[in-house]
Amino acid sequence: SYELTQSPSVSVSPGQTARITCSGDALPKKYVYWYQQKSGQAPVLVIYEDTKRPSGIPERFSGSSSGTMATLTISGAQVEDEADYYCYSADSSGNHWVFGGGTKLTVL
Amino acid sequence: EVQLVQSGAEVKKPGESLKISCKGSGYSFSNYWIGWVRQMPGKGLEWMGIIYPDNSDTRNSPSFQGQVTISADKSIATAYLQWSSLEASDTAMYYCGRLYSTSSAYFDYWGQGTLVTVSS
Repeated sequence: SYELTQSPSVSVSPGQTARITCSGDALPKKYVYWYQQKSGQAPVLVIYEDTKRPSGIPERFSGSSSGTMATLTISGAQVEDEADYYCYSADSSGNHWVFGGGTKLTVL
Repeated sequence: EVQLVQSGAEVKKPGESLKISCKGSGYSFSNYWIGWVRQMPGKGLEWMGIIYPDNSDTRNSPSFQGQVTISADKSIATAYLQWSSLEASDTAMYYCGRLYSTSSAYFDYWGQGTLVTVSS
């Protein structure tokens, strides 16, 4: 079955730029979405359709995608951005969707 | 206001059956896909499958095919996730979510989650 691959963890100091990557064979033809999940809470969408930011999401969150790799960038990461981040996309058929394994972002 | 309200936490024994629910309000429930996501303790999110309440068209993840049943009753704006015989490995938080559209099938609204504990 289709898989999206993320690195398990990323650590930055406050104010630095955090980059979280996601790779998948179908990404050249499928949009990527990114979710933030804080402990004990439901996920929150932070990026949709590769690069778009939902209303209410800070401008420091941005997304990009090239080839089989997508990247979530948090420019000037804040302590409150510490969370698990998941990429989300469809397989080549478009009928099944998957989450990446998740990346734990530590900001300290 | 769009809301998805899930049924409460469950504690079950191995081999028992279970059906949890997700009730939608504040939008046309029949015309949006609803999906289920599993999160095992300390682990990541897993897409289980989706259903279109208007006609009960269902897409199941190959990983969960045959393990669970996804259904919906549009007359009461409620989707369900069902097990016929629970295992300890089914212990997890289960989230339902509304999908934005068929072509852009991301979850735009989520339920609060239902914790299922399976233990002898």
